[in-house]
Amino acid sequence: GAVVSQHPSRVICKSGTSVKIECRSLDFQATTMFWYRQFPKKSLMLMATSNEGSKATYEQGVEKDKFLINHASLTLSTLTVTSAHPEDSSFYICSARDPATGSYEQYFGPGTRLTVT
Amino acid sequence: DAKTTQPPSMDCAEGRAANLPCNHSTISGNEYVYWYRQIHSQGPQYIIHGLKNNETNEMASLIITEDRKSSTLILPHATLRDTAVYYCIVRVAVRGSTLGRLYFGRGTQLTVWP
Repeated sequence: GAVVSQHPSRVICKSGTSVKIECRSLDFQATTMFWYRQFPKKSLMLMATSNEGSKATYEQGVEKDKFLINHASLTLSTLTVTSAHPEDSSFYICSARDPATGSYEQYFGPGTRLTVT
Repeated sequence: DAKTTQPPSMDCAEGRAANLPCNHSTISGNEYVYWYRQIHSQGPQYIIHGLKNNETNEMASLIITEDRKSSTLILPHATLRDTAVYYCIVRVAVRGSTLGRLYFGRGTQLTVWP
């Protein structure tokens, strides 16, 4: 199946700094990617839908100025956590669909664990 | 999207079939049933999906009741590597930028023991 990668896999940053997480579709072009957040022992929460060449669509309650999403190419979407605080520490996961297959199957990245100290 | 209800946890002996139930009594006629699983600290993995007919692939079988208000995911011969949280999700499959949005519930923690 299609492969989605994320970088970095783990990151530790200081409170007040910004962190960028990359999501790449390795063997397909993804016009749409999705970003999720998962707290320990909790389910995944959809944060936003990232559309190539246009503004991201954020879910209710997600601050768009804090979680900046850029989808500049068909294989790359980035999530920047600005002015990170300890409560932003979480597991961030992206996913993408391969429209060329005509399938609605969604491929997930391995996740990025963010720790804000 | 319709809401789903799953048991929080289940156990299964290795080599036996694991049957994971999901209730989706408010499902609409154009909503599909999807199953994903998430092994600890990894991204979710797609398993199978269906509309109203039973489906089978190399990973699992999906049995959907005739009234579509519930379904069962069957792992025919569970292995230790099948230990994971299994998510049942129902959603409309339509074209457009919203295609692909998934809203995860709490899922079922399946533990396969030797």
